[in-house]
Amino acid sequence: GAVVSQHPSWVICKSGTSVKIECRSLDFQATTMFWYRQFPKQSLMLMATSNEGSKATYEQGVEKDKFLINHASLTLSTLTVTSAHPEDSSFYICSAKRVSYEQYFGPGTRLTVT
Amino acid sequence: QKEVEQDPGPLSVPEGAIVSLNCTYSNSAFQYFMWYRQYSRKGPELLMYTYSSGNKEDGRFTAQVDKSSKYISLFIRDSQPSDSATYLCAILQGAQKLVFGQGTRLTINP
Repeated sequence: GAVVSQHPSWVICKSGTSVKIECRSLDFQATTMFWYRQFPKQSLMLMATSNEGSKATYEQGVEKDKFLINHASLTLSTLTVTSAHPEDSSFYICSAKRVSYEQYFGPGTRLTVT
Repeated sequence: QKEVEQDPGPLSVPEGAIVSLNCTYSNSAFQYFMWYRQYSRKGPELLMYTYSSGNKEDGRFTAQVDKSSKYISLFIRDSQPSDSATYLCAILQGAQKLVFGQGTRLTINP
């Protein structure tokens, strides 16, 4: 139990285009999902907290107009990187809170902007 | 001062050895402490979490929290090559925000 999926697992896009990443909790309902970013050999940095049916809460320094988050249902949250640039290339990971304080992570999406 | 500090390693030990991974944290108010394992190019996997002080054991893994020194540890007994991964400690800040350490890259040599 507690499986979280992400799609796509790897995406390459051209600079200036937008990319959408999906995060799904497959076997549980998640009122709260989280989006993280991880650069090579570095730790996870929380970008935003997404609550079903309400606006996401962004961490300081994260541009909310660039990283659009939609938590449309109890099992789906999406992250759209708008007008992507090469510096947005990174590993994006979502997590979903099941019960209590446990967060379960998706497998991650590797974004490469050329 | 970072909220959570973790030696990034890398750490390399022979198969069967006992591994000790450690983190320190800055705020004595933190109560929940987690350990995640992350294989290369994968998402983190929750290994264990502990509340407040004390030990928690799960198979070959033991998590330990010493609140007096703000020190958390993960011990791996009878280490296996399949344990080779990056281990991340994390603390729960507030109700749901996880703050991660840098992660320690561990290699178990056959």
